[in-house]
Amino acid sequence: KAGVTQTPRYLIKTRGQQVTLSCSPISGHRSVSWYQQTPGQGLQFLFEYFSETQRNKGNFPGRFSGRQFSNSRSEMNVSTLELGDSALYLCASSEGSLRGTEAFFGQGTRLTVV
Amino acid sequence: DAKTTQPPSMDCAEGRAANLPCNHSTISGNEYVYWYRQIHSQGPQYIIHGLKNNETNEMASLIITEDRKSSTLILPHATLRDTAVYYCIVRTNQAGTALIFGKGTTLSVSS
Repeated sequence: KAGVTQTPRYLIKTRGQQVTLSCSPISGHRSVSWYQQTPGQGLQFLFEYFSETQRNKGNFPGRFSGRQFSNSRSEMNVSTLELGDSALYLCASSEGSLRGTEAFFGQGTRLTVV
Repeated sequence: DAKTTQPPSMDCAEGRAANLPCNHSTISGNEYVYWYRQIHSQGPQYIIHGLKNNETNEMASLIITEDRKSSTLILPHATLRDTAVYYCIVRTNQAGTALIFGKGTTLSVSS
């Protein structure tokens, strides 16, 4: 069974640009969550999508957005990039059923904003 | 904010048991204890979770105190590949609940 796939693995962008990151969950998983990891703030929850609907949201500005497609693949978008957005962005998939289950994380996308 | 307290670092000799403690004194009756670990530059990996009974799987054992205010993750025979940051997380099993990560414990296994 293939794991969670995130693309691209590495990305360099300039301040003010926007970026789109992609996440393909494990087959059959309907929930996709996104996390940001920085040395200063650690791992922080961004948002979670289930059946194409945002089900939960962390405390991030509106520049951070996401969506989920009918095949459960998810994209995350960051507009007007700032230097502080440089981070490892992690995607996690889970079955997303009524009872929470363990989440499986991808390898992440390392974004560098210059 | 994370609801757990963990020591920032621990050392363990290869082949010995690694016992990682976690305090969660404000845990609610419907909250589970989850453990994840993150090996350098990789995504976090699920290890184990439990409610009030002790749990064991192929990776580790989880011991939860009777009052549920603390727990211990046990890696029975630590190897160099177990060197990682270990996160103890308290959460309900309600669908859509986010994982709130604290700073975790950096476990260093040496030969």
